[in-house]
Amino acid sequence: EAQVTQNPRYLITVTGKKLTVTCSQNMNHEYMSWYRQDPGLGLRQIYYSMNVEVTDKGDVPEGYKVSRKEKRNFPLILESPSPNQTSLYFCASSRDRVSPLHFGNGTRLTVT
Amino acid sequence: EDQVTQSPEALRLQEGESSSLNCSYTVSGLRGLFWYRQDPGKGPEFLFTLYSAGEEKEKERLKATLTKKESFLHITAPKPEDSATYLCAVSSGAGSYQLTFGKGTKLSVIP
Repeated sequence: EAQVTQNPRYLITVTGKKLTVTCSQNMNHEYMSWYRQDPGLGLRQIYYSMNVEVTDKGDVPEGYKVSRKEKRNFPLILESPSPNQTSLYFCASSRDRVSPLHFGNGTRLTVT
Repeated sequence: EDQVTQSPEALRLQEGESSSLNCSYTVSGLRGLFWYRQDPGKGPEFLFTLYSAGEEKEKERLKATLTKKESFLHITAPKPEDSATYLCAVSSGAGSYQLTFGKGTKLSVIP
């Protein structure tokens, strides 16, 4: 089954404790992206990757890091999480820029 | 900068009461306009892609249309299971891989 898998689904952590949210896709997609979704603000892009070792900033990259060492994986790293990063995070992938995105089921992060 | 505005923010319909959702956009060279459906606590699910003005796509009770400035998602005789948030997104040219989403329309269909 074609899918984008994110882990964990729920995460509660404290300010400053480094964390990684994993994302994996099994569709051999070149393009992957991370979004955060907040009430009243909608989906906002954090980082995206056009292929292995090629990443670029989205609209809200501050406080986040990503890496793309393998085509299927695109982890999101929060080196020093802060409460304003409490949000619902989605990873997504697509074949290319004009193809539709396939989304994971989300990671709900709470930073206290 | 690409902009996407969806209206209304929320819409309540009686079962069987047809209506339309609007997505207005401003982009520098439209590559594609996408409609997604999102259920609470889940990731958005792809519905349609439209590439050029005049294009229409249909799926069950949903029909998406596109002009040079906006797209409509028409819902005919909706059922309660159509209740969800509907998101519109645009992909523009200029060499960018960014996708810009609207804030969505939350649709509630009352039995």
